[in-house]
Amino acid sequence: RKEVEQDPGPFNVPEGATVAFNCTYSNSASQSFFWYRQDCRKEPKLLMSVYSSGNEDGRFTAQLNRASQYISLLIRDSKLSDSATYLCAVSPNTGNQFYFGTGTSLTVIP
Amino acid sequence: DAGITQSPRHKVTETGTPVTLRCHQTENHRYMYWYRQDPGHGLRLIHYSYGVKDTDKGEVSDGYSVSRSKTEDFLLTLESATSSQTSVYFCAISVDRSSNGYTFGSGTRLTVV
Repeated sequence: RKEVEQDPGPFNVPEGATVAFNCTYSNSASQSFFWYRQDCRKEPKLLMSVYSSGNEDGRFTAQLNRASQYISLLIRDSKLSDSATYLCAVSPNTGNQFYFGTGTSLTVIP
Repeated sequence: DAGITQSPRHKVTETGTPVTLRCHQTENHRYMYWYRQDPGHGLRLIHYSYGVKDTDKGEVSDGYSVSRSKTEDFLLTLESATSSQTSVYFCAISVDRSSNGYTFGSGTRLTVV
């Protein structure tokens, strides 16, 4: 079983829509969670951390559900510039590395 | 943006030849990582370093070696390149093990023919 799994999509949504991605993880002892954004042929860039209490940054909200072992990313009022692949990253309690999902592709359509 | 550069950006090499990729940082971060990214597999850790001369293997370390003789430089060597090592290689840095996320370099596209 993979450490981290994501629905690859693609998600095609109109501008202004709300879209949510989930990422499931297998290690219940995982401690650290992040979302990254990766544009085509570019490096991943840190989007936001995911805290137990959830966190919000403008139009983006990240949440953690430990009971069901998944994290989520909600994007409100989608912009064309949100089109990218979104990667989740999970670190087990050993903390030596992060495991990354394969990414979810989002295209925002005019 | 954090100061992290990878070289070369692109490389084509022949099967059986050794290849060295370089990652250079100006942030003085303790932790450095080498990942490869392939379709369907996502980012997979090859090796990482937690200090000068301190390195450890990741989940896909076979056929790769690393060295870190200075805080700022982390080298990845493919000892004898194979076609299965055709990939995009990303270096990443972090200030600690897991509390903060990573900053990635721009990547090296390696093709082994």
